[in-house]
Amino acid sequence: EVKLVESGGGLVQPGRSLKLSCAASGFSFNDYWMGWVRQAPGKGLEWIGEINQDSSTINYTPSLKDKFTISRDNAQNTLYLQMSKLGSEDTAIYYCARGRRFAYWGQGTLVTVSS
Amino acid sequence: DVVMTQTPPSLSVAIGQSVSISCKSSQSLVYSDGKTYLHWLLQSPGQSPKLLIYQVSNLGSGVPDRFSGTGSQKDFTLKISRVEAEDLGVYYCVQATHFPDTFGAGTKLELK
Repeated sequence: EVKLVESGGGLVQPGRSLKLSCAASGFSFNDYWMGWVRQAPGKGLEWIGEINQDSSTINYTPSLKDKFTISRDNAQNTLYLQMSKLGSEDTAIYYCARGRRFAYWGQGTLVTVSS
Repeated sequence: DVVMTQTPPSLSVAIGQSVSISCKSSQSLVYSDGKTYLHWLLQSPGQSPKLLIYQVSNLGSGVPDRFSGTGSQKDFTLKISRVEAEDLGVYYCVQATHFPDTFGAGTKLELK
C-alpha cells in the first residue's frame, strides 16, 4: 500500500524557518518525482514545487522560489520541504504528493505562522 | 501562469443524478510530446485530495467508471454518472503541461 506521511508542522513565529518531512512507503521511492502542494484554510490548492528522482531537477512556483527548498533522501525514502522567512500567508496544510500526476497524497501537516 | 477556470463553483445534486464539471485553460494543454497533462482530483470533506483522472481521460487506481473525463486543447469536462454519497466534496482540475502547475479554484458538489 502506498503511504505518504507528512510531519514537522506546527506553530511558528513570523520570520522563522521550519522543515517538513514526508515519509514514503509501499513503493519504490527513488523511481518517482515527488512534490509539495499547500492549502490555506478554506482555500484551494497551490502547487509549491517538485523534485525528480535523483534531485538533479527541482522546480518551484516562482513566488516561493526564494523561500522554500525541496530535497529528498532516497536512502531514507523521505522528501523534505525547508521553509524560511515564514509569514502569515504561509499558514496552510502542506501535502506531499507522488509523481507528476499527483497519484497519491499524504494526509497533510498544518503549519500555522503566528506570533 | 496558466489560468484554470472551473465552472460551476458549486453544484447541488440528488443521489443517482449525473453531473458535469467544466475546466477551461488559458492556454492549450498539449505538451511537446503530444500528451495533455490535465488531471482531476477530488477532495472529500476533511480529507486530502485523491486522483480521479489523469491525462484527460484515464481513470486513477481504484476509481469507479462512473467517472469519466473528456476534452482537448483548452476545454475539459469531468462527468459523474449516477452520483453516490461518497462523491461529495470539492473537485479540482490541475494542469501539469506548463510550468508552474496550476489548479482550478474547485467545484463543490453537495447533496440536494
